[in-house]
Amino acid sequence: DIQMTQSPSSLSASVGDRVTITCRASQGISNSLAWYQQKPGKAPKLLLYAASRLESGVPSRFSGSGSGTDYTLTISSLQPEDFATYYCQQYYSTPFTFGPGTKVDIK
Amino acid sequence: QLQLQESGSGLVKPSQTLSLTCAVSGGSISSGGYSWSWIRQPPGKGLEWIGYIYHSGSTYYNPSLKSRVTISVDRSKNQFSLKLSSVTAADTAVYYCARGVPAASGWFDPWGQGTLVTVSS
Repeated sequence: DIQMTQSPSSLSASVGDRVTITCRASQGISNSLAWYQQKPGKAPKLLLYAASRLESGVPSRFSGSGSGTDYTLTISSLQPEDFATYYCQQYYSTPFTFGPGTKVDIK
Repeated sequence: QLQLQESGSGLVKPSQTLSLTCAVSGGSISSGGYSWSWIRQPPGKGLEWIGYIYHSGSTYYNPSLKSRVTISVDRSKNQFSLKLSSVTAADTAVYYCARGVPAASGWFDPWGQGTLVTVSS
């Protein structure tokens, strides 16, 4: 199985801050990476796929980059509705696996 | 707009079988190019992919659960189902159904709202 790690596990930030979350795979995944946002009591919501492609309807302040084993999710200017937990997921090979999540809360 | 809705028993006794159904609306489960997955999330923890099924009925299960999982599809009702046998407290989780894009290898979108299943006597 491909193991996914994320850092940090949590962070505190203010509205307007630039936030970066890192996801690392245990082996190369050729940009086969998705990012999700999950709010308490809700299902995860797809933000990006193929490492950097923005899902339709997702604000452009979200962006993704990376290659090989290392990927990042960046929120350029944090908004109040962005406080949530973020997960990465690899779909390079089965079983599909998720990172442990990064919780973004209010400073 | 495609929507998925989970239903089933919210309380299951240890050693029994968990059964859930995911009803798909706004689109056909028989559409090519997609798979249909189950994913779970224990309370306060991360996400675990359980397995997927194609409209043809072909399946792939997470090896960690393979011996206990069955996913099936009912094309006439536009729904797919999950059965997990010999459950323990460790199977207590919110269970989500989701569409896989593209089939066989992809991301999940959309998701159902999720249903909490508690394993307890």
